[in-house]
Amino acid sequence: EIVMTQSPATLSVSPGERATLSCRASQSVNSNLAWYQHKPGQPPRLLIYGASTRATGIPARFSGSGSGTEFTLTISSLQSEDFAVYYCHQYNNWPRTFGQGTKLEIK
Amino acid sequence: QVQLVESGGGVVQPGRSLRLSCTPSGFTFSVYGMHWVRQAPGKGLEWVAFIWYDGTNKYYTDSVKGRFTISRDNSRDTVYLQMNSLRDEDTALYYCARDQDLLGTFIDFWGQGTLVTVSS
Repeated sequence: EIVMTQSPATLSVSPGERATLSCRASQSVNSNLAWYQHKPGQPPRLLIYGASTRATGIPARFSGSGSGTEFTLTISSLQSEDFAVYYCHQYNNWPRTFGQGTKLEIK
Repeated sequence: QVQLVESGGGVVQPGRSLRLSCTPSGFTFSVYGMHWVRQAPGKGLEWVAFIWYDGTNKYYTDSVKGRFTISRDNSRDTVYLQMNSLRDEDTALYYCARDQDLLGTFIDFWGQGTLVTVSS
């Protein structure tokens, strides 16, 4: 199975600043990579698919990049509602796999 | 709007069985593939299983192969997860999730989850 590794495990950022989250795949997943935001007590929410396409209703401050094995999620100016856990997810191969998550916390 | 409602969770002893159900609304169920994803307490998301729109093809993560079975009844608009030979490590919140395609791409909507606790 493809192992997805996210870094860092925890990221402390001040509101208004930029956050950069990384995701690495153990083998190429092409551009078949999605990002999800997960807050306590809520289901995950799709942010990005195809490595760089924002899902419907996702603000432009969220952007994704990368292909192959290296991917990045950037949040350009953090808002209070952005503090959550973020997961990358490959859908290139079976079984599907998620990264272990990056917790984005307020500095 | 799209809604997915899971049911069937509860407390069960190791080695026993449980069947989860997921009833969607707000979209045409029969033209979408469906997933189950779980989250153990304090852990991250783990993909569990997927079924094609018509039920003819299914995929599983290795840790549940031979124990869990995903199925669907398009006449009842319901997807199921039959879980047999349950283990302590199967304790988790189980999410039903919709794929944005018939045959399996990415998940675009999630339910609220149903909690399964395996404990003696």
